[in-house]
Amino acid sequence: QKEVEQNSGPLSVPEGAIASLNCTYSDRGSQSFFWYRQYSGKSPELIMSIYSNGDKEDGRFTAQLNKASQYVSLLIRDSQPSDSATYLCAVNNPNAGGTSYGKLTFGQGTILTVHP
Amino acid sequence: DGGITQSPKYLFRKEGQNVTLSCEQNLNHDAMYWYRQDPGQGLRLIYYSQIVNDFQKGDIAEGYSVSREKKESFPLTVTSAQKNPTAFYLCASSIGTGGLETQYFGPGTRLLVL
Repeated sequence: QKEVEQNSGPLSVPEGAIASLNCTYSDRGSQSFFWYRQYSGKSPELIMSIYSNGDKEDGRFTAQLNKASQYVSLLIRDSQPSDSATYLCAVNNPNAGGTSYGKLTFGQGTILTVHP
Repeated sequence: DGGITQSPKYLFRKEGQNVTLSCEQNLNHDAMYWYRQDPGQGLRLIYYSQIVNDFQKGDIAEGYSVSREKKESFPLTVTSAQKNPTAFYLCASSIGTGGLETQYFGPGTRLLVL
């Protein structure tokens, strides 16, 4: 079982729809969760971070975290063609590895395509 | 402007050659990281550094080396021992390494083998 799993997609949604991206993780000690967006050929850029169970909203983006079920999701409302990218889920356990460094583990990413 | 710079954007390596990728940050971040990304895959950690003159191996350190002589700089050398170096290399930094800090990425260097 992979430590952080995402459906690789592609996920295709029409413009204006809600895109729902999901991520599950295996390490129950994980405490911080991040969503990055990566355009083709570019580096990842932070979209959202979430640390507590529940929802966190920022503009058109909502991150949802459920630690009991070990999943984190990202909702994109009113999807635009400019949202077409790969979305990377990253999970951090501050106590992993036996050192003071928290191990940030990435999923393989979900490709999102928003068509006009 | 604060940020992370990486150079060069593209790098070509010949067989048996060592090459060095540059990473500089002016965010005053203590921690710096190097990741490798292969097509269709997530990021894998090569090395990380929490403070100057200290660095630790990540998950795939074999065939790579780093140094951290200045807070702002964390260069990565891809040695001839790395047999499959073609990948997208990403440098990142964070304020600390307590485990909750966000990592921010530079623009990346694409390494190709001739």
